[in-house]
Amino acid sequence: GAVVSQHPSRVICKSGTSVKIECRSLDFQATTMFWYRQFPKQSLMLMATSNEGSKATYEQGVEKDKFLINHASLTLSTLTVTSAHPEDSSFYICSASDPGTSGSWKTQYFGPGTRLLVL
Amino acid sequence: DAKTTQPPSMDCAEGRAANLPCNHSTISGNEYVYWYRQIHSQGPQYIIHGLKNNETNEMASLIITEDRKSSTLILPHATLRDTAVYYCIDCTASKLTFGTGTRLQVTL
Repeated sequence: GAVVSQHPSRVICKSGTSVKIECRSLDFQATTMFWYRQFPKQSLMLMATSNEGSKATYEQGVEKDKFLINHASLTLSTLTVTSAHPEDSSFYICSASDPGTSGSWKTQYFGPGTRLLVL
Repeated sequence: DAKTTQPPSMDCAEGRAANLPCNHSTISGNEYVYWYRQIHSQGPQYIIHGLKNNETNEMASLIITEDRKSSTLILPHATLRDTAVYYCIDCTASKLTFGTGTRLQVTL
């Protein structure tokens, strides 16, 4: 099956610093990648949709200047949490759409997630 | 908000079939039903998807009612490693909206 990786798997940073998270599709080219956030004991919430070579589309309530997304290639998207604060501590998960999926909807495959702790 | 409803939790004995129901009464004609599961502290894992026909793969079977208002995910022989939160999702505008899912606990 399609494999998506994330790096790092876990990061601890000081308040006010920026953190970059990488998401890679390993065995397929993904024109669309998604970024989700999950707080403890809650479900995943979509933050933004990232299309290769264009600006990301952010969900309502997600600050685009705080969560910078770059999707410069068909296999790599990055999420940068700028000026991180303790309330940004969460589990960040990316997914990538496999264009090889049949049908009008392309199956999303998820990365293993990145746990961010801001002190 | 998620447009599907699922029971919050279920138990299943190891080796038995786990049948997880999902209601998606507002699903439109061209929306697929997707099932994912999330094992603790991991990213969601794709299980199966379908439009109106029943589907089967190496992980599970998906039974969709004729009116498409509900579906059932079947894990034919549950193991302890199947303990997870299972999400039933109908896809709208190329987005997955996760609800609270069903927490399946497989026991010895």
